[in-house]
Amino acid sequence: DARVTQTPRHKVTEMGQEVTMRCQPILGHNTVFWYRQTMMQGLELLAYFRNRAPLDDSGMPKDRFSAEMPDATLATLKIQPSEPRDSAVYFCASAVPPGELFFGEGSRLTVL
Amino acid sequence: SQQGEEDPQALSIQEGENATMNCSYKTSINNLQWYRQNSGRGLVHLILIRSNEREKHSGRLRVTLDTSEKSSSLLITASRAADTASYFCATDGSSNTGKLIFGQGTTLQVKP
Repeated sequence: DARVTQTPRHKVTEMGQEVTMRCQPILGHNTVFWYRQTMMQGLELLAYFRNRAPLDDSGMPKDRFSAEMPDATLATLKIQPSEPRDSAVYFCASAVPPGELFFGEGSRLTVL
Repeated sequence: SQQGEEDPQALSIQEGENATMNCSYKTSINNLQWYRQNSGRGLVHLILIRSNEREKHSGRLRVTLDTSEKSSSLLITASRAADTASYFCATDGSSNTGKLIFGQGTTLQVKP
């Protein structure tokens, strides 16, 4: 049963610490998305990749966020330094456009 | 600005009743998709409707699309307690990248 895997599922950290979230997309999916979900803003698209190349990261605060795909089986989203306003659920999704997106279960981040 | 906006924000019905959720969007699209999210989980794709389609069915789900009004509706017939979840519409903004912009969602509660 193919699925998108995200780690960690939960992360509590202190302001100023580095946070790395990881995603394993579904094998064969060539497009990977990072979304952030909060009560206030809903689902925001942060960045996405096609064949491991970044297509658009305009939704991401550049000074502290970075997203990469070191290889086809791993996407990472890094926050350094983290701030309390970064507290949210971060979702990774993969797809073969223009079809449906397959979402992971999310990484719930709390920054104290 | 958000591509999709759902209405109502929250809906509470009795089991067996029908639930209708509406979505409005602002730009042209290639397709519109509906997703479901159970509490604490990732989003799950329900149905995709293309811009040249007006109606689509999948089990107890019926989706309509009116491109002239830039709106869509999701109807769940004979609702069950297990349908309790948040429902989101998402549009691609007529891009071919697979990027989806999500609305704020409708929270549906089905009382047994």
